[in-house]
Amino acid sequence: DAGVIQSPRHEVTEMGQEVTLRCKPISGHNSLFWYRQTMMRGLELLIYFNNNVPIDDSGMPEDRFSAKMPNASFSTLKIQPSEPRDSAVYFCASSYTGGGTEAFFGQGTRLTVV
Amino acid sequence: SQQGEEDPQALSIQEGENATMNCSYKTSINNLQWYRQNSGRGLVHLILIRSNEREKHSGRLRVTLDTSKKSSSLLITASRAADTASYFCATGFYNTDKLIFGTGTRLQVFP
Repeated sequence: DAGVIQSPRHEVTEMGQEVTLRCKPISGHNSLFWYRQTMMRGLELLIYFNNNVPIDDSGMPEDRFSAKMPNASFSTLKIQPSEPRDSAVYFCASSYTGGGTEAFFGQGTRLTVV
Repeated sequence: SQQGEEDPQALSIQEGENATMNCSYKTSINNLQWYRQNSGRGLVHLILIRSNEREKHSGRLRVTLDTSKKSSSLLITASRAADTASYFCATGFYNTDKLIFGTGTRLQVFP
């Protein structure tokens, strides 16, 4: 398996534009996580899905952020409209539900909003 | 909000020395995991210790867990320059796959 695949790796956009980040989890994994990493706030859990259903979105910063998982092999994180303070590295991770198992991370998307 | 606080925030040592990182957390956990992150890369899982375990080893890694003090430590023995990275603890909980990460320790190993 190629691991968790995220795209794009880098994204530069202007304030006010819509940004969509994509993630393909490892085949067979049924939990998917979106994290955001910044120097100031560290690694924050934004939302996690189990069996394609959003279970906990309490970390989503505001209504400008939305996430979907239409099937077991694809998820998106959308920011609309984007703001400079959204600049960060966004990671997707997946795992297999088993009562405490490791998460596998993608390489991340570095988002810069100018 | 973050569950774990790690200390030190940064650690510099010479090759061959041991590196110890500590993690404290706030609420009851099912397990505690340690991850490594090289600059600009995703996190890689190192080791998992369950709440009913006190110590675990994997190669040059030794992890301890004290649930009464809500703390864990990661020891890397005989460090190498290639161990230079940031290390994060992550807490896992009962009835959920959610993982909450600590603030991380930046380890620099000089050759």
